[in-house]
Amino acid sequence: GENVEQHPSTLSVQEGDSAVIKCTYSDSASNYFPWYKQELGKGPQLIIDIRSNVGEKKDQRIAVTLNKTAKHFSLHITETQPEDSAVYFCAASGGYSTLTFGKGTMLLVSP
Amino acid sequence: DGGITQSPKYLFRKEGQNVTLSCEQNLNHDAMYWYRQDPGQGLRLIYYSQIVNDFQKGDIAEGYSVSREKKESFPLTVTSAQKNPTAFYLCASSRSQGWNTGELFFGEGSRLTVL
Repeated sequence: GENVEQHPSTLSVQEGDSAVIKCTYSDSASNYFPWYKQELGKGPQLIIDIRSNVGEKKDQRIAVTLNKTAKHFSLHITETQPEDSAVYFCAASGGYSTLTFGKGTMLLVSP
Repeated sequence: DGGITQSPKYLFRKEGQNVTLSCEQNLNHDAMYWYRQDPGQGLRLIYYSQIVNDFQKGDIAEGYSVSREKKESFPLTVTSAQKNPTAFYLCASSRSQGWNTGELFFGEGSRLTVL
Protein backbone atom coordinates (compact mmCIF):
# COMPACT_ATOMS: atom_id res chain seq x y z
CA GLY A 1 0.00 0.00 0.00
CA GLU A 2 0.88 3.67 -0.04
CA ASN A 3 3.37 5.10 2.46
CA VAL A 4 3.65 8.85 3.04
CA GLU A 5 6.61 10.36 4.87
CA GLN A 6 6.38 13.95 6.14
CA HIS A 7 9.14 16.28 7.35
CA PRO A 8 9.82 18.07 9.56
CA SER A 9 7.70 16.94 12.50
CA THR A 10 7.96 20.40 14.08
CA LEU A 11 8.77 23.76 12.51
CA SER A 12 9.23 27.08 14.25
CA VAL A 13 9.38 30.32 12.26
CA GLN A 14 9.16 34.03 12.93
CA GLU A 15 6.10 35.93 11.74
CA GLY A 16 6.63 37.03 8.16
CA ASP A 17 9.04 34.22 7.31
CA SER A 18 8.26 31.41 4.88
CA ALA A 19 7.57 27.82 5.93
CA VAL A 20 8.08 24.70 3.84
CA ILE A 21 6.80 21.21 4.66
CA LYS A 22 7.85 18.26 2.52
CA CYS A 23 6.26 14.88 1.85
CA THR A 24 7.30 11.82 -0.11
CA TYR A 25 5.07 8.99 -1.26
CA SER A 26 5.78 5.47 -2.41
CA ASP A 27 2.99 4.47 -4.81
CA SER A 28 3.58 5.76 -8.32
CA ALA A 29 -0.15 5.27 -9.02
CA SER A 30 -1.07 8.04 -6.55
CA ASN A 31 -2.50 11.06 -8.32
CA TYR A 32 -4.20 13.21 -5.68
CA PHE A 33 -2.30 15.11 -2.98
CA PRO A 34 -4.25 17.22 -0.47
CA TRP A 35 -3.01 19.20 2.51
CA TYR A 36 -5.04 19.55 5.69
CA LYS A 37 -4.67 22.02 8.56
CA GLN A 38 -5.71 21.04 12.08
CA GLU A 39 -6.12 23.70 14.74
CA LEU A 40 -5.99 22.76 18.40
CA GLY A 41 -8.99 20.70 19.50
CA LYS A 42 -10.58 20.65 16.04
CA GLY A 43 -10.82 18.36 13.07
CA PRO A 44 -8.54 18.85 10.04
CA GLN A 45 -9.65 21.11 7.19
CA LEU A 46 -8.55 20.99 3.57
CA ILE A 47 -6.43 24.01 2.67
CA ILE A 48 -5.14 23.10 -0.79
CA ASP A 49 -4.81 20.08 -3.04
CA ILE A 50 -3.06 19.17 -6.26
CA ARG A 51 -3.54 16.49 -8.88
CA SER A 52 -0.83 14.73 -10.81
CA ASN A 53 -1.48 16.59 -14.05
CA VAL A 54 -0.37 19.84 -12.40
CA GLY A 55 3.09 20.76 -11.11
CA GLU A 56 2.18 23.71 -8.92
CA LYS A 57 -0.90 25.34 -7.47
CA LYS A 58 -1.22 28.60 -5.52
CA ASP A 59 -3.91 30.09 -3.33
CA GLN A 60 -2.94 33.44 -1.86
CA ARG A 61 -0.13 32.78 0.64
CA ILE A 62 -0.05 29.02 0.23
CA ALA A 63 1.27 26.94 -2.64
CA VAL A 64 1.87 23.29 -3.30
CA THR A 65 4.42 21.81 -5.68
CA LEU A 66 4.53 18.26 -7.01
CA ASN A 67 7.43 16.33 -8.50
CA LYS A 68 6.01 13.03 -9.81
CA THR A 69 9.36 11.75 -10.96
CA ALA A 70 10.86 12.07 -7.50
CA LYS A 71 7.55 11.25 -5.82
CA HIS A 72 7.53 14.21 -3.52
CA PHE A 73 5.32 17.22 -2.92
CA SER A 74 5.67 20.28 -0.72
CA LEU A 75 3.57 22.92 0.99
CA HIS A 76 4.87 26.48 0.96
CA ILE A 77 3.44 29.19 3.20
CA THR A 78 4.72 32.71 2.65
CA GLU A 79 4.44 35.71 4.98
CA THR A 80 3.49 33.49 7.89
CA GLN A 81 1.12 34.82 10.55
CA PRO A 82 0.45 33.59 14.10
CA GLU A 83 -2.91 32.17 12.95
CA ASP A 84 -0.99 29.81 10.64
CA SER A 85 0.15 27.95 13.78
CA ALA A 86 -1.40 24.49 13.57
CA VAL A 87 -0.65 20.90 12.63
CA TYR A 88 -0.43 20.29 8.89
CA PHE A 89 -0.98 16.91 7.26
CA CYS A 90 -0.13 15.84 3.74
CA ALA A 91 -1.90 12.91 2.13
CA ALA A 92 -1.89 10.88 -1.06
CA SER A 93 -4.26 8.60 -2.91
CA GLY A 94 -4.82 7.12 -6.35
CA GLY A 95 -7.55 5.37 -8.22
CA TYR A 96 -10.14 4.09 -5.81
CA SER A 97 -7.87 3.95 -2.77
CA THR A 98 -8.49 5.90 0.41
CA LEU A 99 -6.20 8.71 1.51
CA THR A 100 -2.96 7.84 3.28
CA PHE A 101 -1.84 10.61 5.61
CA GLY A 102 1.61 11.69 6.72
CA LYS A 103 2.32 11.94 10.44
CA GLY A 104 1.90 15.68 10.54
CA THR A 105 3.99 18.82 11.07
CA MET A 106 3.40 21.14 13.99
CA LEU A 107 4.02 24.69 12.74
CA LEU A 108 4.60 27.41 15.32
CA VAL A 109 4.69 31.01 14.13
CA SER A 110 6.13 33.40 16.71
CA PRO A 111 5.11 37.08 16.66
CA ASP B 1 -25.60 24.68 8.74
CA GLY B 2 -24.15 21.60 7.09
CA GLY B 3 -21.47 19.57 8.72
CA ILE B 4 -20.33 16.59 10.74
CA THR B 5 -21.36 16.21 14.36
CA GLN B 6 -19.48 13.91 16.69
CA SER B 7 -20.52 13.07 20.22
CA PRO B 8 -19.53 12.93 22.93
CA LYS B 9 -16.55 15.29 22.80
CA TYR B 10 -14.94 13.64 25.83
CA LEU B 11 -15.54 10.13 27.08
CA PHE B 12 -14.08 8.11 29.91
CA ARG B 13 -14.48 4.39 30.17
CA LYS B 14 -13.23 1.62 32.38
CA GLU B 15 -11.19 -1.22 30.98
CA GLY B 16 -13.34 -4.04 29.67
CA GLN B 17 -16.24 -1.81 28.65
CA ASN B 18 -17.45 -1.22 25.13
CA VAL B 19 -18.17 2.37 24.11
CA THR B 20 -19.93 3.80 21.06
CA LEU B 21 -18.97 7.09 19.43
CA SER B 22 -21.62 8.87 17.41
CA CYS B 23 -21.11 10.51 14.01
CA GLU B 24 -23.88 12.27 12.08
CA GLN B 25 -23.61 14.27 8.85
CA ASN B 26 -26.14 16.43 7.01
CA LEU B 27 -24.01 17.01 3.91
CA ASN B 28 -25.74 14.27 1.94
CA HIS B 29 -22.39 12.56 1.46
CA ASP B 30 -22.27 8.91 0.48
CA ALA B 31 -18.87 8.08 2.01
CA MET B 32 -18.00 8.19 5.71
CA TYR B 33 -14.81 7.35 7.58
CA TRP B 34 -13.39 6.85 11.06
CA TYR B 35 -9.81 7.82 11.85
CA ARG B 36 -7.75 7.45 14.97
CA GLN B 37 -5.22 10.14 15.88
CA ASP B 38 -2.37 9.54 18.31
CA PRO B 39 0.47 12.02 19.01
CA GLY B 40 3.11 11.76 16.30
CA GLN B 41 1.15 9.07 14.42
CA GLY B 42 -0.92 11.09 12.01
CA LEU B 43 -4.39 9.91 11.00
CA ARG B 44 -4.92 6.19 10.71
CA LEU B 45 -8.01 4.76 9.02
CA ILE B 46 -10.16 2.44 11.11
CA TYR B 47 -13.23 1.80 8.93
CA TYR B 48 -14.93 3.40 5.98
CA SER B 49 -18.26 3.11 4.21
CA GLN B 50 -19.20 4.02 0.66
CA ILE B 51 -22.89 3.25 0.91
CA VAL B 52 -25.58 2.30 3.39
CA ASN B 53 -25.29 -1.23 4.78
CA ASP B 54 -21.75 -1.64 3.49
CA PHE B 55 -18.38 -0.88 5.08
CA GLN B 56 -14.74 -1.92 4.79
CA LYS B 57 -11.87 -2.32 7.22
CA GLY B 58 -9.12 0.24 7.19
CA ASP B 59 -5.56 -0.16 8.39
CA ILE B 60 -6.30 -0.59 12.11
CA ALA B 61 -9.78 -2.18 12.34
CA GLU B 62 -8.98 -4.74 15.04
CA GLY B 63 -10.97 -4.11 18.21
CA TYR B 64 -13.46 -1.78 16.50
CA SER B 65 -16.85 -2.25 14.87
CA VAL B 66 -19.15 0.01 12.84
CA SER B 67 -22.60 0.06 11.29
CA ARG B 68 -24.14 2.09 8.47
CA GLU B 69 -27.89 1.70 8.73
CA LYS B 70 -28.60 5.26 7.57
CA LYS B 71 -26.78 7.50 5.12
CA GLU B 72 -26.40 10.21 7.75
CA SER B 73 -25.00 8.06 10.55
CA PHE B 74 -21.82 6.01 11.02
CA PRO B 75 -21.32 5.05 14.69
CA LEU B 76 -18.05 3.49 15.89
CA THR B 77 -17.91 0.99 18.73
CA VAL B 78 -14.62 0.62 20.57
CA THR B 79 -14.75 -2.86 22.02
CA SER B 80 -12.94 -4.34 24.98
CA ALA B 81 -10.76 -6.20 22.47
CA GLN B 82 -9.01 -2.96 21.49
CA LYS B 83 -5.71 -3.13 23.39
CA ASN B 84 -4.95 0.58 23.53
CA PRO B 85 -8.17 2.53 23.01
CA THR B 86 -7.15 5.86 24.56
CA ALA B 87 -6.98 8.23 21.57
CA PHE B 88 -8.62 11.06 19.65
CA TYR B 89 -11.19 9.75 17.17
CA LEU B 90 -12.19 11.66 14.06
CA CYS B 91 -15.16 11.03 11.80
CA ALA B 92 -15.20 12.34 8.23
CA SER B 93 -17.35 12.26 5.13
CA SER B 94 -16.93 12.93 1.42
CA ARG B 95 -18.91 12.82 -1.82
CA SER B 96 -18.47 9.40 -3.34
CA GLN B 97 -17.48 10.16 -6.88
CA GLY B 98 -14.26 8.20 -6.79
CA TRP B 99 -12.08 8.10 -3.76
CA ASN B 100 -9.57 10.64 -4.91
CA THR B 101 -11.95 13.35 -6.00
CA GLY B 102 -13.62 14.21 -2.74
CA GLU B 103 -12.59 16.62 -0.01
CA LEU B 104 -12.87 15.06 3.42
CA PHE B 105 -14.99 17.00 5.88
CA PHE B 106 -14.07 16.21 9.47
CA GLY B 107 -15.97 16.45 12.70
CA GLU B 108 -14.40 18.02 15.78
CA GLY B 109 -13.44 14.67 17.24
CA SER B 110 -14.10 12.58 20.32
CA ARG B 111 -11.41 12.08 22.92
CA LEU B 112 -11.64 8.69 24.59
CA THR B 113 -9.74 7.97 27.78
CA VAL B 114 -9.63 4.52 29.32
CA LEU B 115 -9.17 4.59 33.06
